[in-house]
Amino acid sequence: DQQVKQNSPSLSVQEGRISILNCDYTNSMFDYFLWYKKYPAEGPTFLISISSIKDKNEDGRFTVFLNKSAKHLSLHIVPSQPGDSAVYFCAASARRRGGGADGLTFGKGTHLIIQP
Amino acid sequence: GAGVSQTPSNKVTEKGKYVELRCDPISGHTALYWYRQSLGQGPEFLIYFQGTGAADDSGLPNDRFFAVRPEGSVSTLKIQRTERGDSAVYLCASSLTRNTEAFFGQGTRLTVV
Repeated sequence: DQQVKQNSPSLSVQEGRISILNCDYTNSMFDYFLWYKKYPAEGPTFLISISSIKDKNEDGRFTVFLNKSAKHLSLHIVPSQPGDSAVYFCAASARRRGGGADGLTFGKGTHLIIQP
Repeated sequence: GAGVSQTPSNKVTEKGKYVELRCDPISGHTALYWYRQSLGQGPEFLIYFQGTGAADDSGLPNDRFFAVRPEGSVSTLKIQRTERGDSAVYLCASSLTRNTEAFFGQGTRLTVV
């Protein structure tokens, strides 16, 4: 059973517009969430994270929103640029010991395509 | 080096053979992770090292898989009697502490024929 779900395998957005990538999780022990970006033939690159004590974290064009009651988070990219075209992975962890595996649990990813 | 380094970048082996995959983490990172990524999936956790010890190996699929980190830096993932289903990209990551943002290497693409 997937504990982190990204239900959109792909998303196409026009350059300059906002890209919104969504992620849902089921494990209530998760207390730390991350987004990674991946280009072909490269490893995932850390983008932005959020702790469960916050509901928003912003870094330049990237903002992550967390809705704990809905077990949902989203990544907003504004404005979208051609270099943002990549696969985006949502990941979660339980930082408190005993909350789960020591590694990150990843979703299957969303392929974001920015159209000129 | 500045980032996580993995060697080889590609490995093709015959079914039944033994393989070793190497990971050189970011200097000073005590936490090291191995993940496996199959086509169309996200990375799947295999094992976590804190220093020299395997603190969590709950993700290893079976006893053909083993990993070591003898001096708390470089790690080797070892796969015995490889099977075609082992074909995947094996990713290594390191972080300063447990379950903070991890930095990934480029991965080793293993193909078992």
